[in-house]
Amino acid sequence: AQSVTQLGSHVSVSEGALVLLRCNYSSSVPPYLFWYVQYPNQGLQLLLKYTTGATLVKGINGFEAEFKKSETSFHLTKPSAHMSDAAEYFCAVKRSARQLTFGSGTQLTVLP
Amino acid sequence: EAGVTQFPSHSVIEKGQTVTLRCDPISGHDNLYWYRRVMGKEIKFLLHFVKESKQDESGMPNNRFLAERTGGTYSTLKVQPAELEDSGVYFCASSQDAVLAGGFLWQFFGPGTRLTVL
Repeated sequence: AQSVTQLGSHVSVSEGALVLLRCNYSSSVPPYLFWYVQYPNQGLQLLLKYTTGATLVKGINGFEAEFKKSETSFHLTKPSAHMSDAAEYFCAVKRSARQLTFGSGTQLTVLP
Repeated sequence: EAGVTQFPSHSVIEKGQTVTLRCDPISGHDNLYWYRRVMGKEIKFLLHFVKESKQDESGMPNNRFLAERTGGTYSTLKVQPAELEDSGVYFCASSQDAVLAGGFLWQFFGPGTRLTVL
């Protein structure tokens, strides 16, 4: 069965600092992995996805994630945080053709 | 192209009352999904429609929840009677046909309906 663990329900960084949001997965098959973001009062928006191929995936707004099979990780990073990055971030794995399994979310706070 | 829309954005009801949530998928998307996030926990799958047919309702918590998609367009999710533990955010998502999309599950999510049961 597929599952996702997000380490840290709340992460705070200073503006301009590195953003690192951690996600570890468990999957019995090669995983499809996703990061979604929910800005205040908005819906879930797909940031980036990994299916096959290149393990470093670039997404929107300067975010990227690296699939590391040996570590079963798919951490999300951004070199320099911006105030507008404050949001809740969800890691997800494709559970089946019909379902996504989500992590519990990480609330990112960006401090001025 | 309009995204997935959900109505209402917020709903506050008392325990025992009935609430109906609505989701309009992206035009042309045959697949429609409902998810919910309760008490700040993980977002969990509720069910999946292909057109008007329920393909997978394994995530529906109990028989107080009824989802419909008459005509294969918009969907409603009714909670009757609502209980305190039903409070949370209900998300709807839609996707194209899995075959046409290369077998990938590209789900587009709506903004969610925040339900509060008092």
